[in-house]
Amino acid sequence: GAGVSQTPSNKVTEKGKYVELRCDPISGHTALYWYRQSLGQGPEFLIYFQGTGAADDSGLPNDRFFAVRPEGSVSTLKIQRTERGDSAVYLCASSPAVGDWETQYFGPGTRLLVL
Amino acid sequence: AQSVTQPDIHITVSEGASLELRCNYSYGATPYLFWYVQSPGQGLQLLLKYFSGDTLVQGIKGFEAEFKRSQSSFNLRKPSVHWSDAAEYFCAVGVGDYKLSFGAGTTVTVRA
Repeated sequence: GAGVSQTPSNKVTEKGKYVELRCDPISGHTALYWYRQSLGQGPEFLIYFQGTGAADDSGLPNDRFFAVRPEGSVSTLKIQRTERGDSAVYLCASSPAVGDWETQYFGPGTRLLVL
Repeated sequence: AQSVTQPDIHITVSEGASLELRCNYSYGATPYLFWYVQSPGQGLQLLLKYFSGDTLVQGIKGFEAEFKRSQSSFNLRKPSVHWSDAAEYFCAVGVGDYKLSFGAGTTVTVRA
């Protein structure tokens, strides 16, 4: 079966623009996570979904960032008024259920560059 | 607050030589500890994990790690590295039931 997929793989945008990053989790996985990995750093937690609801969005850096998962499968991370500091690799992961530490599968990421 | 420190930013090792990557954590409760590997263009892959019990844990690709509570460490080892082990390695601590807190990573270069 397919793993976690993320589109686009690369995104270049201009400062101030709006971007959407998509994550397709493994089929049947109810838990979905977004992380951000800045250059030279490890991934940092952004938000976690259990089903359709955001159970923990404490990692979102500010209100320019928003994520949805309307049908409990695909998720979209939305960034408004992008800033150069938003440049990073955005990683998505999914797992069958919350607490399944060992089955948190990561996608290849979307590399976002804000010029 | 929980944190993970990986003291070595970059390690170069000869093929066939042993490898040890250091990881220190700060966490109030009993930690859930993980090692992940990230190859260029690939997603993070879980190598091994420690939850409880035997402090020496075996993982995939011939890796093992040892949990030492007295030293707050969870170092990763491999007896003999292969060129395909060149990658970036991340230590992480589990927070709550779902959140992973990662270290900054160690890049491993393997020379022939």
